[in-house]
Amino acid sequence: GEDVEQSLFLSVREGDSSVINCTYTDSSSTYLYWYKQEPGAGLQLLTYIFSNMDMKQDQRLTVLLNKKDKHLSLRIADTQTGDSAIYFCAESKGNKLTFGTGTQLKVEL
Amino acid sequence: GAVVSQHPSRVICKSGTSVKIECRSLDFQATTMFWYRQFPKQSLMLMATSNEGSKATYEQGVEKDKFLINHASLTLSTLTVTSAHPEDSSFYICSAPFPGGARETQYFGPGTRLLVL
Repeated sequence: GEDVEQSLFLSVREGDSSVINCTYTDSSSTYLYWYKQEPGAGLQLLTYIFSNMDMKQDQRLTVLLNKKDKHLSLRIADTQTGDSAIYFCAESKGNKLTFGTGTQLKVEL
Repeated sequence: GAVVSQHPSRVICKSGTSVKIECRSLDFQATTMFWYRQFPKQSLMLMATSNEGSKATYEQGVEKDKFLINHASLTLSTLTVTSAHPEDSSFYICSAPFPGGARETQYFGPGTRLLVL
């Protein structure tokens, strides 16, 4: 089966960096994604990385991919209160997405 | 701005009734759309793939007679929850691949919260 796992909860102080981790099992995934979900809302695509890349940076977001260990991480620099949400990683095969369990990020003042 | 919309955003219905949820792609065509279900504090589970002009493809364990999907046009897919029961209460989200973006990039609707009494 395809299981994508994340830690359930992360708390950081405003201004610090947040690192959200994800492990996946399907090594044939072509793209890996990070989505953000605010309470009662749909999913917002934050960033994605192609499976042959190791790192991708997009403003405050840095994605690291360790394909050997099937480990994906999302680093948010200078975390703000508006970053509080649930973050889902997802892997794709074709158009099908398999989502991780989600990490709730809480940003404290 | 949103590229995928859903309607209604929230619906409450009585047990035994049917509820239709619409998913629309805005300003682009989607031959394929996806329907997900999310229980509170849980991840999204893919229910089915909606295909324009042909039958939907359902994931294992999803009852196709209960969750009817119709993809009648290139911008609209509908999910009908037939004879809804309280256990069908959930957050239903659709998505569509966005053309012109990175290959396999999908955009999600804002979701529909269904409560069956």
